[in-house]
Amino acid sequence: DVKVTQSSRYLVKRTGEKVFLECVQDMDHENMFWYRQDPGLGLRLIYFSYDVKMKEKGDIPEGYSVSREKKERFSLILESASTNQTSMYLCASNEGATGYGYTFGSGTRLTVV
Amino acid sequence: AQSVTQLGSHVSVSEGALVLLRCNYSSSVPPYLFWYVQYPNQGLQLLLKYTTGATLVKGINGFEAEFKKSETSFHLTKPSAHMSDAAEYFCAVSNTGNQFYFGTGTSLTVIP
Repeated sequence: DVKVTQSSRYLVKRTGEKVFLECVQDMDHENMFWYRQDPGLGLRLIYFSYDVKMKEKGDIPEGYSVSREKKERFSLILESASTNQTSMYLCASNEGATGYGYTFGSGTRLTVV
Repeated sequence: AQSVTQLGSHVSVSEGALVLLRCNYSSSVPPYLFWYVQYPNQGLQLLLKYTTGATLVKGINGFEAEFKKSETSFHLTKPSAHMSDAAEYFCAVSNTGNQFYFGTGTSLTVIP
């Protein structure tokens, strides 16, 4: 069964900490995405990547960065965590312009205290 | 520009009743359209999709949706709700198949 694996289901971090959220896919997909999900706001795109070492800003990139050193891994970095970054973070991947849709990870619920 | 509007952030139906979740989209070209379901504390799972061809598409768990170009709609239906259908549902649109734009979601409650 194909998978997108997010390293942590729940995380609690302190304000000001540097936080790494890891995502690994085993489908050899070209595209990977990071979204955050908040009640009433749906899914908002933070960053995406169409290839190794390539990254593009989404709709809400402020306060975040990403890294894609290998095709299967896409990391989201919170440079200095703040309480307004408390959220559910979802990683997704897809093959590209094929219409197959995304495969999502199970999500990481991050709480910043 | 692409966007998705889901009418009704919360929908309640009785068990056995029809489920209708509404989705309207804007797209400058024929889109790919998707419905995803999210159970509590989980990621999103694909319910069904429209890419080309037949405008009535069937998905998992008895759900189906119809692409109506003239109405720019892709409403999700199920003839008879089951308790296990209680979840959050997201409609999504893409022009290219690369990047998707999601609606704000509809939370479905099924009343016994």
